[in-house]
Amino acid sequence: AQRVTQPEKLLSVFKGAPVELKCNYSYSGSPELFWYVQYSRQRLQLLLRHISRESIKGFTADLNKGETSFHLKKPFAQEEDSAMYYCALSVTTDSWGKLQFGAGTQVVVTP
Amino acid sequence: SQTIHQWPATLVQPVGSPLSLECTVEGTSNPNLYWYRQAAGRGLQLLFYSVGIGQISSEVPQNLSASRPQDRQFILSSKKLLLSDSGFYLCAWSVEGEKLFFGSGTQLSVL
Repeated sequence: AQRVTQPEKLLSVFKGAPVELKCNYSYSGSPELFWYVQYSRQRLQLLLRHISRESIKGFTADLNKGETSFHLKKPFAQEEDSAMYYCALSVTTDSWGKLQFGAGTQVVVTP
Repeated sequence: SQTIHQWPATLVQPVGSPLSLECTVEGTSNPNLYWYRQAAGRGLQLLFYSVGIGQISSEVPQNLSASRPQDRQFILSSKKLLLSDSGFYLCAWSVEGEKLFFGSGTQLSVL
């Protein structure tokens, strides 16, 4: 069965420091991977997906099939990055919404 | 623009009582619709998804059911709630090849 693991429940970093959220997955095929984010008092929303190879709000994520990882990185954390981050895996192309989510990582950026 | 409405925001129900959570989408046609649940300390789990009126797929065996009586309406129901049905329920929609858009969620407490 597919599984997404986010080993850190809480990540506390100082403003301006680099931040890396770990995500590992188990799936034997070619997955589509996503990072979703929920800011305080806002709805869960897509941050980025690996097929787009984009950088959103300074965040990037690289799919490493050898290590089955999709870690999210930002070189300089900002206070507005404080949020709950979820890594998610889609193993089907018939619906982009059928996702397997990790348990999430709470990021707290302190000044 | 597209919007998704989900209600109620919070609900406290006794064990054995029925449940009906409703979700409606505006500003799009023939969306894929989803119900996710988040139990305490765990990631979001896909419960049901629908690609059209009357078409429901269940992802996990459970005490709940879903219906789609209209193109942009998705209902989550139970005839008799169990304690284990407590959790945070999220409705979401997507159009093929696009990202998931989430509702604001319903916190259900079964006592």
